[in-house]
Amino acid sequence: GDSVTQTEGPVTLSEGTSLTVNCSYETKQYPTLFWYVQYPGEGPQLLFKVPKANEKGSSRGFEATYNKEATSFHLQKASVQESDSAVYYCALSDPFYVGDNSKLIWGLGTSLVVNP
Amino acid sequence: NSKVIQTPRYLVKGQGQKAKMRCIPEKGHPVVFWYQQNKNNEFKFLINFQNQEVLQQIDMTEKRFSAECPSNSPCSLEIQSSEAGDSALYLCASSLFGGTSQNTLYFGAGTRLSVL
Repeated sequence: GDSVTQTEGPVTLSEGTSLTVNCSYETKQYPTLFWYVQYPGEGPQLLFKVPKANEKGSSRGFEATYNKEATSFHLQKASVQESDSAVYYCALSDPFYVGDNSKLIWGLGTSLVVNP
Repeated sequence: NSKVIQTPRYLVKGQGQKAKMRCIPEKGHPVVFWYQQNKNNEFKFLINFQNQEVLQQIDMTEKRFSAECPSNSPCSLEIQSSEAGDSALYLCASSLFGGTSQNTLYFGAGTRLSVL
C-alpha cells in the first residue's frame, strides 16, 4: 500500500541555520504531494502542495521539489526562525480515491525546535 | 487562521461513557473529514461526508462511533462507549472539493479526548 516516510525528530536547530526534512514515498499511482505544518495547540495547516512531478512548491521560505524518479519530496529552508518551531508532515493523496473522496496518507511528522 | 471551529477543545470521560464533539466546517465547504491523531502523531482517517451523506468510513467508526453532518447544524462525532484507547486528538477538516486528489484540507484545532 501507499506509505510516507520522513525524518525522525526532534530536529533541533539554531536560528539562522538551514533545514532539510527528508520525505520519501511509495505509491503505484501519480500522487499529489503535500507539506502540512502543525503549530502547538493548532490543527495542521497546508504549507504547500505539488500535483506534478518535477515541479517545486514553496511558501514562507520553505520549498520542496517533487522528485518522481527518487520518490522524494524533501522540505528545505535556508534560514530557520524560532517561529518555525512546529511539527511538519509530509503527505500524499492517492488519485485512486478520486471520484468519491480524497484521503491523505500521512508521514509520522518531524518535530522542529528552533532555538534563538 | 483556520475557520473550522471545533468544540469542545478538551473532553474528559470515563470508560463506557459517551463522548460527543462538534465541528463547524469552513463556510462553503461541502466535504468534512474526521481524523484521529494519537500521541505518536499518527493520523487515522475515521469518516468523511459530502454535504449530509457519508462518503467513506472505517470499520471502527461504523461499529462504535456515530457521526452526522446535518444541514444548517454543526457536524458531530460521538463515541458511543469510550475506551482508554480512544484517548487522542480528534481533528475535523473541511474542503471545497471531494473528488480530486489535489484537495487541500482545512483543519480545526481539534478536540482532545481523555478517557480515564
